[in-house]
Amino acid sequence: DSGVTQTPKHLITATGQRVTLRCSPRSGDLSVYWYQQSLDQGLQFLIQYYNGEERAKGNILERFSAQQFPDLHSELNLSSLELGDSALYFCASSQLPGLAGVREQFFGPGTRLTVL
Amino acid sequence: QKEVEQDPGPLSVPEGAIVSLNCTYSNSAFQYFMWYRQYSRKGPELLMYTYSSGNKEDGRFTAQVDKSSKYISLFIRDSQPSDSATYLCAMGGGATNKLIFGTGTLLAVQP
Repeated sequence: DSGVTQTPKHLITATGQRVTLRCSPRSGDLSVYWYQQSLDQGLQFLIQYYNGEERAKGNILERFSAQQFPDLHSELNLSSLELGDSALYFCASSQLPGLAGVREQFFGPGTRLTVL
Repeated sequence: QKEVEQDPGPLSVPEGAIVSLNCTYSNSAFQYFMWYRQYSRKGPELLMYTYSSGNKEDGRFTAQVDKSSKYISLFIRDSQPSDSATYLCAMGGGATNKLIFGTGTLLAVQP
């Protein structure tokens, strides 16, 4: 158990809908990362938050957004869902970036999203 | 060209074999390197973490980094059926802690 929790485990919804995925980082970790993993694209970095602020953006669609709250949990919002958004969504957390030796990311169990 | 290249496999070996998994990369700014193991439909699990060049050993696992060749390896000794999984290399550098992942190598250890 990595200490990172994600809810829900599974989500089935229809095209055009909006969903929210939730992540709680490991105790003491300030950084949260979101990844999308689909069969044909591998693990793709979406976005990073550090202590409530956006730190880095990857291949995140404009229909997707995220935020990190004062208690450090994070939510990933996916809207106007398309069939191609069906994937596993992982959250990871780490300690402070920029400190040598403290850059490992620990992953949660993921949320499996199915868009019908 | 992708920043990180990894042979997708699948790689099938008999139990007890030594397994070699590799990644190459193009970004010379990468400073830290990791290997993750991912069982089917589960979250990636951190196996090894290496900063800069050199070797690191942990039980049956050895990670090697050759920054001059931009090449990293993971060796698994005395492989077990429970090692059957997808192995992902990941690397990064800079203040954002952003990691770039390889596509993963699917390993099957046959009993």
